Amino acid sequence: AQKVTQAQTEISVVEKEDVTLDCVYETRDTTYYLFWYKQPPSGELVFLIRRNSFDEQNEISGRYSWNFQKSTSSFNFTITASQVVDSAVYFCALSEARSSASKIIFGSGTRLSIRP
Amino acid sequence: ETGVTQTPRHLVMGMTNKKSLKCEQHLGHNAMYWYKQSAKKPLELMFVYSLEERVENNSVPSRFSPECPNSSHLFLHLHTLQPEDSALYLCASSSRIAGYEQYFGPGTRLTVT
Repeated sequence: AQKVTQAQTEISVVEKEDVTLDCVYETRDTTYYLFWYKQPPSGELVFLIRRNSFDEQNEISGRYSWNFQKSTSSFNFTITASQVVDSAVYFCALSEARSSASKIIFGSGTRLSIRP
Repeated sequence: ETGVTQTPRHLVMGMTNKKSLKCEQHLGHNAMYWYKQSAKKPLELMFVYSLEERVENNSVPSRFSPECPNSSHLFLHLHTLQPEDSALYLCASSSRIAGYEQYFGPGTRLTVT
């Protein structure tokens, strides 16, 4: 069975600190996709990144970076020099990628609060 | 319009009312989804449509009735709801060609009184 675990329920840091959101997943598939989504207070889930199971290269996009390690089944997300606008709930997710309508399994989310 | 749109954004309805939620995607995707997000609960997948055919129904009560007339539109018809059905209802779309990630609409905040 597929499962995504985000052990950190809530994190609160002061602005400009770096923060890492942890994500651990379980799957028996050899081909799968991992995602991160951001849900600001407005409610809409915003897609941030997709990573497929064959690509373990880390990715950096501005202040955001992602560390994918198959050996530990982890896909962690780091925000460097955090800002108040980063405050949101962040979801890690996993997809089996078998068909056009592949289900996405979401973690329970980490609520990130950035204090000024 | 771009992306995924949902109307209405907010809805208050009585337990005996009938209402519908509408979702429209402008991304050329071929799969659409309904999710329910209640306070302090994980996202719950309700229905999945692929090429206008329902491919998944996650034991959702019959008071929720989905409809997908074409690949761009998805409806959720509501009738005789219960107060515990109050939640944020999110629509999403995806495409294998686009990479499997789902793009979400802004959601409809539903309150059942």
